[in-house]
Amino acid sequence: KAGVTQTPRYLIKTRGQQVTLSCSPISGHRSVSWYQQTPGQGLQFLFEYFSETQRNKGNFPGRFSGRQFSNSRSEMNVSTLELGDSALYLCASSLVTSGENEQFFGPGTRLTVL
Amino acid sequence: SQKIEQNSEALNIQEGKTATLTCNYTNYSPAYLQWYRQDPGRGPVFLLLIRENEKEKRKERLQVTFDTTLKQSLFHITASQPADSATYLCALGAYNFNKFYFGSGTKLNVKP
Repeated sequence: KAGVTQTPRYLIKTRGQQVTLSCSPISGHRSVSWYQQTPGQGLQFLFEYFSETQRNKGNFPGRFSGRQFSNSRSEMNVSTLELGDSALYLCASSLVTSGENEQFFGPGTRLTVL
Repeated sequence: SQKIEQNSEALNIQEGKTATLTCNYTNYSPAYLQWYRQDPGRGPVFLLLIRENEKEKRKERLQVTFDTTLKQSLFHITASQPADSATYLCALGAYNFNKFYFGSGTKLNVKP
């Protein structure tokens, strides 16, 4: 069974631009969560999608948004990029709503904002 | 606000010994706690989950304890091997996945 895939793996943008990251969950998994990982803040929860609906959201500004498609694939968008948005963005999928259930993480997208 | 603390300093141990990692939390009463392993350049890999009403759980060489009074979880790797070298993260959450938080992780180095 294929694992969670994320594209692109690496991305370089400049301040003010916007970016869209993509995540394909494991086949059959309906829940997709997004996380931001930085050396200073560690892994921080961004939001979770289940059956195309955002179920939970972390404490991030509205510049961070996402969506989920009917095939469970998910995209995350960051608008008006700031230097502090440079991070590893990870998505994780699970069979049903995540949290207690095991989450399977993708390799991440390394975003650098110049 | 909630705070999760894991040893920020790397833990260096000799092969064959038991590694013990600590996860402390404050201002939060989680329903469950998870432990993950993360290798450089990779996403975290789920290892174990323990619920608030469970005191201990084991899986092969891994053992985790959960003390809701002390607000602490201990993660043990027995008979450690160099291949166990990685960063270990704890994560706490509620059953409805609201308020799910990761610790900053502890780097474990197992020397042959």
